[in-house]
Amino acid sequence: DAGITQSPRYKITETGRQVTLMCHQTWSHSYMFWYRQDLGHGLRLIYYSAAADITDKGEVPDGYVVSRSKTENFPLTLESATRSQTSVYFCASSAPGQGGSPLHFGNGTRLTVT
Amino acid sequence: AQSVAQPEDQVNVAEGNPLTVKCTYSVSGNPYLFWYVQYPNRGLQFLLKYITGDNLVKGSYGFEAEFNKSQTSFHLKKPSALVSDSALYFCAVRDSLLTGGGNKLTFGTGTQLKVEL
Repeated sequence: DAGITQSPRYKITETGRQVTLMCHQTWSHSYMFWYRQDLGHGLRLIYYSAAADITDKGEVPDGYVVSRSKTENFPLTLESATRSQTSVYFCASSAPGQGGSPLHFGNGTRLTVT
Repeated sequence: AQSVAQPEDQVNVAEGNPLTVKCTYSVSGNPYLFWYVQYPNRGLQFLLKYITGDNLVKGSYGFEAEFNKSQTSFHLKKPSALVSDSALYFCAVRDSLLTGGGNKLTFGTGTQLKVEL
């Protein structure tokens, strides 16, 4: 089925460990995004990508790394996890346009850093 | 800079009554405005958008939203609420003057809608 898939759905890790969250979309959308959702903050943009090999920082990029070697995949890596990175992470994609294309979201990864 | 505010953390309404979820925005150019809904343990789902044209926009599940430029608002409405409408609702905005970044949206903090029998 077409869609956007995130894995894992749940992850518990320890402070200082490296963690990679996966995101895969089947629409061939050029734009992909990583958001984190925290109570009281709504969704905040971490990184986004306009196409393969093109990425840029969002509002809260510190402590995160992204790559996009293929259009359909957009993994997010926490290089050295901290407790403040405990959150729900959402990947999204959208078709190119004049800003009116809606985002399509995955079901999220709930990450707990102990 | 673009920003959006949802002044109510929670809205309670009885089933069958009309509902309104409020949203105000701030942009430098023209706004592209969106509403999304989130059910428990799920991602956000697109409901409707305003880009240009008619100020009243109709979307999924009987929802509509009214764009008011003078009040910089984009309130979500439904004439008759259902218990199944209970969810978390997010307003989002993109400034038309924002270059690059595709549909890089700024989201509000969300409003929890609770519809009771």
